[in-house]
Amino acid sequence: EIVLTQSPGTLSLSPGERATLSCRASQSVSSSSLAWYQQKPGQAPRLLIYGASSRATGIPDRFSGSGSGTDFTLTISRLEPEDFAVYYCQQYGRSSRMYTFGQGTKLEIK
Amino acid sequence: EVQLVESGGGVVRPGGSLRLSCAASGFTFDDYGMSWVRQAPGKGLEWVSGINWNGGSTDYADSVKGRFTISRDNAKNSLYLQMNSLRVEDTAFYHCARDSNFPFHYMDVWGKGTTVTVSS
Repeated sequence: EIVLTQSPGTLSLSPGERATLSCRASQSVSSSSLAWYQQKPGQAPRLLIYGASSRATGIPDRFSGSGSGTDFTLTISRLEPEDFAVYYCQQYGRSSRMYTFGQGTKLEIK
Repeated sequence: EVQLVESGGGVVRPGGSLRLSCAASGFTFDDYGMSWVRQAPGKGLEWVSGINWNGGSTDYADSVKGRFTISRDNAKNSLYLQMNSLRVEDTAFYHCARDSNFPFHYMDVWGKGTTVTVSS
């Protein structure tokens, strides 16, 4: 089973700053199976990025995804107040036919 | 509007059973695979189970294999999760989610969820 490790666990930044969130896989992951989600308290997760770098419908262009193999990154270029939330990466294992999630990164206001 | 609405959660004793339902609307239900994802209080996301478009293929997390059964009724635009032999550690918020189509793998529509509490 592929394990996803996200870092940092908590990221404290101010509005207007740039956020860089990391997701590292225990073995190589297909880029087509790597996605990022945002979750705010009391809400369902929202898809941000799929295919490692493609923005989902309606997602602002300040959100971008990059990476391949075992190292993936979610970047938020200029933080808006509504971006403070928990972010999860997710992969799908074609052999296991299972989704796995990272443990999450909490992005909090500094 | 594309929407998923879960129901059927509640409080149950260890060893008991519950059946969750998820009603889909606003899209062609049988064009998509579906999944259940849960979130224990204060914890992260855990994929529980998935089913393909016609119910012919199902998958489970090791933590629920042999106890939970996923199914769907395309005529009713509905997804189900039968949960048996429930354990305290199954306590969580359960979301249904729509799977993407090949070649990508992600969940693009999520329901707000239903709460399952397993407690004596």
